[in-house]
Amino acid sequence: KAGVTQTPRYLIKTRGQQVTLSCSPISGHRSVSWYQQTPGQGLQFLFEYFSETQRNKGNFPGRFSGRQFSNSRSEMNVSTLELGDSALYLCASSFPPLGLTESTDTQYFGPGTRLTVL
Amino acid sequence: AQTVTQSQPEMSVQEAETVTLSCTYDTSESNYYLFWYKQPPSRQMILVIRQEAYKQQNATENRFSVNFQKAAKSFSLKISDSQLGDTAMYFCAFIQSGAGSYQLTFGKGTKLSVIP
Repeated sequence: KAGVTQTPRYLIKTRGQQVTLSCSPISGHRSVSWYQQTPGQGLQFLFEYFSETQRNKGNFPGRFSGRQFSNSRSEMNVSTLELGDSALYLCASSFPPLGLTESTDTQYFGPGTRLTVL
Repeated sequence: AQTVTQSQPEMSVQEAETVTLSCTYDTSESNYYLFWYKQPPSRQMILVIRQEAYKQQNATENRFSVNFQKAAKSFSLKISDSQLGDTAMYFCAFIQSGAGSYQLTFGKGTKLSVIP
């Protein structure tokens, strides 16, 4: 199976702009989670989508939003970019918890999108 | 809220030697999963090993094994016969089982360098 894919891999934006990142999960996975990784704060949970519904949201401002499509692909949008939004954005996908398999509750990560805000 | 603490920001080990990375966590839940993820300089986060809290037996995956002490809320990773390819950031992570949502809580990470 193909792994989790994220596009684009690198982005450079200026303050005030908006950006959209894309994530395609592993085939058959219906849950997609997003994380922000910075040297100072480490890995922080942004939000998680399952069957096109946001199930959980981390402690980020409303400028960060997301959505999930019927094919489980997910997008993350950041509006009015700030310098502090520069980070590696990671997407992860999982099976739903339909049973106790080795893959249950295990998240598989994509390579990330490196966002630089100037 | 759950917290995960990795007290060793950086560690080094000689090639072929054994190293242990520490992780402690805090939770009031009884059912959960613990993970060790590896992030090499290429940045792809890779699952190393996972442990279900209800299992008393420690998980092993080839050269990687864990020492899971549920009462002490400790979850250390042992890497045997260290190889140069083991050089990476290692993150300990926690997820509550059956919570209806996938939200991993990560530690700050341990940077492991394997020295030839």
